[in-house]
Amino acid sequence: GAVVSQHPSRVICKSGTSVKIECRSLDFQATTMFWYRQFPKQSLMLMATSNEGSKATYEQGVEKDKFLINHASLTLSTLTVTSAHPEDSSFYICSAVRRADYEQYFGPGTRLTVT
Amino acid sequence: QKEVEQDPGPLSVPEGAIVSLNCTYSNSAFQYFMWYRQYSRKGPELLMYTYSSGNKEDGRFTAQVDKSSKYISLFIRDSQPSDSATYLCATVQQAGTALIFGKGTTLSVSS
Repeated sequence: GAVVSQHPSRVICKSGTSVKIECRSLDFQATTMFWYRQFPKQSLMLMATSNEGSKATYEQGVEKDKFLINHASLTLSTLTVTSAHPEDSSFYICSAVRRADYEQYFGPGTRLTVT
Repeated sequence: QKEVEQDPGPLSVPEGAIVSLNCTYSNSAFQYFMWYRQYSRKGPELLMYTYSSGNKEDGRFTAQVDKSSKYISLFIRDSQPSDSATYLCATVQQAGTALIFGKGTTLSVSS
């Protein structure tokens, strides 16, 4: 089956530092990857759409200079949270759209805690 | 009005019960409907996927879509404690685009 991995699974960082989260499709090529954020007891909210070789598209209210997205290849997208603050603490989940059939698969998520 | 509405529960049932989970949506252009299961601190796992109206069955799970009333349901038969999780409905207008999720319903099945 299609597998999407995220690294790290959990990270704790100090306020003001930057954190990079990787999303990889392990056994398929992904035309598009999505980044979602989920706060406790809330649903997944789309942050941005990442297409290989082009600039990411951000949802309204998501700061593109704070959440840097790079989609370097058809199997890897990275999300960098710059100058993190405690309010950025959340569960970040990526999904990848399989090129062959447009089915979407989710990663296991990364729990970010900013102290 | 939110695009996808889902009662967050929590919903508690005894083992063996039939569970009914529901969502409503507002945009008639939505074509694809999914149910995801999410265990605590994990990513969502696709359970069922339907296109347009109708029923789809997979083991103990049945997904139902009624586009005329913009209503989607997931039924779980013979519920098990391992079914305890949060169930999220999701929809999308076009395959390969970002999903729009409901808030999720937390289900607890007691043995």
